[in-house]
Amino acid sequence: SQTIHQWPATLVQPVGSPLSLECTVEGTSNPNLYWYRQAAGRGLQLLFYSVGIGQISSEVPQNLSASRPQDRQFILSSKKLLLSDSGFYLCAWGEVTDNEKMFFGSGTQLSVL
Amino acid sequence: KQEVTQIPAALSVPEGENLVLNCSFTDSAIYNLQWFRQDPGKGLTSLLLIQSSQREQTSGRLNASLDKSSGRSTLYIAASQPGDSATYLCAVNDYKLSFGAGTTVTVRA
Repeated sequence: SQTIHQWPATLVQPVGSPLSLECTVEGTSNPNLYWYRQAAGRGLQLLFYSVGIGQISSEVPQNLSASRPQDRQFILSSKKLLLSDSGFYLCAWGEVTDNEKMFFGSGTQLSVL
Repeated sequence: KQEVTQIPAALSVPEGENLVLNCSFTDSAIYNLQWFRQDPGKGLTSLLLIQSSQREQTSGRLNASLDKSSGRSTLYIAASQPGDSATYLCAVNDYKLSFGAGTTVTVRA
């Protein structure tokens, strides 16, 4: 069966420090991969999605970047964190059909201080 | 741009009462609609997925309906239990998922 791993679960970083969040998927090949951010009391905001290795689409201009070095690996990065980058980050994958069902990781709570 | 709205934002009911959660969306050209459950500080768990050609889906005590032409979906939870307390999110897929802000449900024992 398919599983999605996301780590770390929590992270506290100082302003200006770098960031790397990793997500891996098992049990499927060539999935669509997504990074979402959830601010407190608000809906999920799509940050990046990827339909294949090296293919990244950005939904909103921001201080973050994403990479997909392998088929089932998706990385969210920043060179210098801002206070506004704090939030709950979720990785997700979708079945590659037009009836895509989404599966989410357990999330990373990022606090930038 | 697809906009998804969930009403109410919060709901508190006594155990045993049926729950009705509403979701509306602005663009009816969708592939499917998915309902998720989120516990505090956790990821999302998929509850039900309704294809655009379907009118409803059922799983145990959960039933979700879809009226694509009017841009509405409703999640019904029968005979609520304290374990149903969580935030419920609606997501519309029109190639990309657009989420509502969720309805936070509290079931009182």
